[in-house]
Amino acid sequence: DIQMTQSPSSLSASVGDRVTITCQASQDITDYLNWYQQKPGKAPNLLIFEASNLERGVPSRFSGSGSGTDFTFTISSLQPEDIATYYCHQSNTLPYTFGQGTKLEIK
Amino acid sequence: QVQLQESGPGLVKPSGTLSLTCAVFGDSISHGNWWSWVRQPPGKGLEWIGEVLHTGNTNYNPSLKSRVTISVDKSTNQFSLKVSSVTAADAAVYYCARQRSLSGRPHPFFDYWGQGTLVTVSS
Repeated sequence: DIQMTQSPSSLSASVGDRVTITCQASQDITDYLNWYQQKPGKAPNLLIFEASNLERGVPSRFSGSGSGTDFTFTISSLQPEDIATYYCHQSNTLPYTFGQGTKLEIK
Repeated sequence: QVQLQESGPGLVKPSGTLSLTCAVFGDSISHGNWWSWVRQPPGKGLEWIGEVLHTGNTNYNPSLKSRVTISVDKSTNQFSLKVSSVTAADAAVYYCARQRSLSGRPHPFFDYWGQGTLVTVSS
């Protein structure tokens, strides 16, 4: 299985800050890397697909980049409603696997 | 608007079989998308269980493959999950999800999710 390692596991930032989360795959996954936001008690919500494509309806302050084994997820200006746990997900190879999650809190 | 809704018993006895159904609204399960089950133990991360196509074709996570069956019922626009020989490690919120991919490539992402259903394993 492809292991997905997210960093950091938790993060505290202020409203308006630029926030960056990284995800590293244990082998080349091309650009088949997706990002989800999960709020407490809710299902995950797709934000970014295939590394850098913004899902329709998702605010433009969210973005993604990377290819191969190293990927980055960025919130350009943190908003209070962005408090959640974020997961990366590879769909290059079965079985699909997720990162362990990054819990984002407001400072 | 596509909606998915999980249903099934919230309590399963150890060594028993967990059975859940996902009803799909606003889309036809026969459209060509794959449909998945994902689970999340309390306070932990996400684990992909497996996927099914309207043809009945399936793929499973090898970690669960010997105990998992996913099936589809086109007549009711639903798909189902069975996990046999459950233990406390199978206690989790179970989500069903629709998969979408670009240009039919076999590299999907999950664009619609059910609200999740908590399954507890206890005698």
